[in-house]
Amino acid sequence: AQKVTQAQTEISVVEKEDVTLDCVYETRDTTYYLFWYKQPPSGELVFLIRRNSFDEQNEISGRYSWNFQKSTSSFNFTITASQVVDSAVYFCALRMGYSSASKIIFGSGTRLSIRP
Amino acid sequence: DTGVSQDPRHKITKRGQNVTFRCDPISEHNRLYWYRQTLGQGPEFLTYFQNEAQLEKSRLLSDRFSAERPKGSFSTLEIQRTEQGDSAMYLCASSRDQNTGELFFGEGSRLTVL
Repeated sequence: AQKVTQAQTEISVVEKEDVTLDCVYETRDTTYYLFWYKQPPSGELVFLIRRNSFDEQNEISGRYSWNFQKSTSSFNFTITASQVVDSAVYFCALRMGYSSASKIIFGSGTRLSIRP
Repeated sequence: DTGVSQDPRHKITKRGQNVTFRCDPISEHNRLYWYRQTLGQGPEFLTYFQNEAQLEKSRLLSDRFSAERPKGSFSTLEIQRTEQGDSAMYLCASSRDQNTGELFFGEGSRLTVL
């Protein structure tokens, strides 16, 4: 079975603090893709990043960084020097690569609140 | 605006009525998805089209739900004999014709069943 678990339901930090959002996934496929999406208060899900299962290299984009570890089936997301505008619900998601199912499965999300 | 658009944005209906939502995907995207999202949860997959072909349906999609994409462009999602449990945000997304592609979401259609 395929599953994405985001154990942190809500996180609240003060602005400028670093914060890490955890994501653990389950899949039997050897080829798969992992995603992070942001859902701001306006509601529209915004794509942040995609990683494939063969590329464990960590990625940094500005204040955002992602740590992909196949050994622990985790794909964690860190925001450095958080800002109020980072307040949103963040979803981790999984897509199988070559199975007939092409859907993306989402975790239940982590609500991040950045306090000024 | 070349993003995914959904209509209507909000729909309030009485239990037992039928409702229909429309989704216009990004024009060059062959794949179109419907998801449902309830409060505090992540999006749940409902169904998926590649061009006009409906290739997968979730077990969540009861026989009261039907989706179409007749010309491989826009799609409709109809819910017949609505129930209070159908109240949710219905999200449409589209992607390019590749398994690696990320989904681009619309703003959703919020359904409230009284």
